[in-house]
Amino acid sequence: GQNIDQPTEMTATEGAIVQINCTYQTSGFNGLFWYQQHAGEAPTFLSYNVLDGLEEKGRFSSFLSRSKGYSYLLLKELQMKDSASYLCAVRYSSASKIIFGSGTRLSIRP
Amino acid sequence: DGGITQSPKYLFRKEGQNVTLSCEQNLNHDAMYWYRQDPGQGLRLIYYSQIVNDFQKGDIAEGYSVSREKKESFPLTVTSAQKNPTAFYLCASKSSGSEQFFGPGTRLTVL
Repeated sequence: GQNIDQPTEMTATEGAIVQINCTYQTSGFNGLFWYQQHAGEAPTFLSYNVLDGLEEKGRFSSFLSRSKGYSYLLLKELQMKDSASYLCAVRYSSASKIIFGSGTRLSIRP
Repeated sequence: DGGITQSPKYLFRKEGQNVTLSCEQNLNHDAMYWYRQDPGQGLRLIYYSQIVNDFQKGDIAEGYSVSREKKESFPLTVTSAQKNPTAFYLCASKSSGSEQFFGPGTRLTVL
């Protein structure tokens, strides 16, 4: 299989920073995506990493280490609206096959 | 407007009946996907298609079938062989080098 592991739940405080980790099997790796999903809605795209390093986009950043099979999503200046599930997804050998992790449910407290 | 649509939004079915979920996109994307999501869980891949008239099984294809006769359309049939079909079904499409775009989803309930 192509196991993708993320923490099930996290809690953080409004205005703070939170890091959500994702580990995956490296064989056949061909790119990693992060999505945000609010309850009952479709996922929306946040970031894409295919090379090692940090990609920054506003309050959100995503990091990738291909040799370690590891990525994280960093959310800064947390807002209440950031309460959602965050899904890590990996594209494997076939350019089109994309597998999702179980998601991390993030709760923001005032 | 370009986008991906799914219908219906809510669907109820009696046990033992087949049902087909619609997915249409006008983004000119080659690849299309079906995922299933259970409450509090991530997305699990059912089927995907990289090109017209071709599709591959995902991780949980048993009890489901698909067709890809047109680039714009990728319907999913949930058959009576699917033992626990109640779930939220998400369709997605992508072009090469891009992220996936998701439809609004269909919530299927088996009575």
